[in-house]
Amino acid sequence: AQTVTQSQPEMSVQEAETVTLSCTYDTSESDYYLFWYKQPPSRQMILVIRQEAYKQQNATENRFSVNFQKAAKSFSLKISDSQLGDAAMYFCAYRRVYGGSQGNLIFGKGTKLSVKP
Amino acid sequence: NAGVTQTPKFRVLKTGQSMTLLCAQDMNHEYMYWYRQDPGMGLRLIHYSVGEGTTAKGEVPDGYNVSRLKKQNFLLGLESAAPSQTSVYFCASSLGRTEKLFFGSGTQLSVL
Repeated sequence: AQTVTQSQPEMSVQEAETVTLSCTYDTSESDYYLFWYKQPPSRQMILVIRQEAYKQQNATENRFSVNFQKAAKSFSLKISDSQLGDAAMYFCAYRRVYGGSQGNLIFGKGTKLSVKP
Repeated sequence: NAGVTQTPKFRVLKTGQSMTLLCAQDMNHEYMYWYRQDPGMGLRLIHYSVGEGTTAKGEVPDGYNVSRLKKQNFLLGLESAAPSQTSVYFCASSLGRTEKLFFGSGTQLSVL
């Protein structure tokens, strides 16, 4: 079974600085998707970034980028120029392409990010 | 364009009571999911549906039932609520198995 591990329960960053959130996963599949979701206090789950495993190029969305290391099964999220609005829980998630619970996301336990002014 | 709507947003039950959570999506999505979120546990899949009239068990299905009588609606039922079912429940939908998941805003359920 696939598992997703986020080893940092909490992280803190100074406003305008850069922070990296870690995620590792375990799978025997060669093709899959990886995601980072943001959950602010409003509880809404917001997709931050998505990475297809077959793509070697790391995904980027404005200030958010990932470091995808397929062989190491590592998928870290880098937030540049951190803003107060970035404070939230961040979840790493895995999704199989074939089989499994039909497109179900498997989530890590989350990292709570605080941003200091 | 409402997206995924969950009702109610908050609910308090007594042990043994029953209730139904409603999830409605207006995007004509085939796939729908129910997750629960507990502190320190992330989100875990309860049940899911790949189309109207179909349902299947996820990772933590015990104590829950679901129905998908209409494509746009996915109902989650608790027949006899237990304190262990105190959680935040999220519904999600997607067009296909590899398409983006859209989430509702969650339902905070407390079972006393």
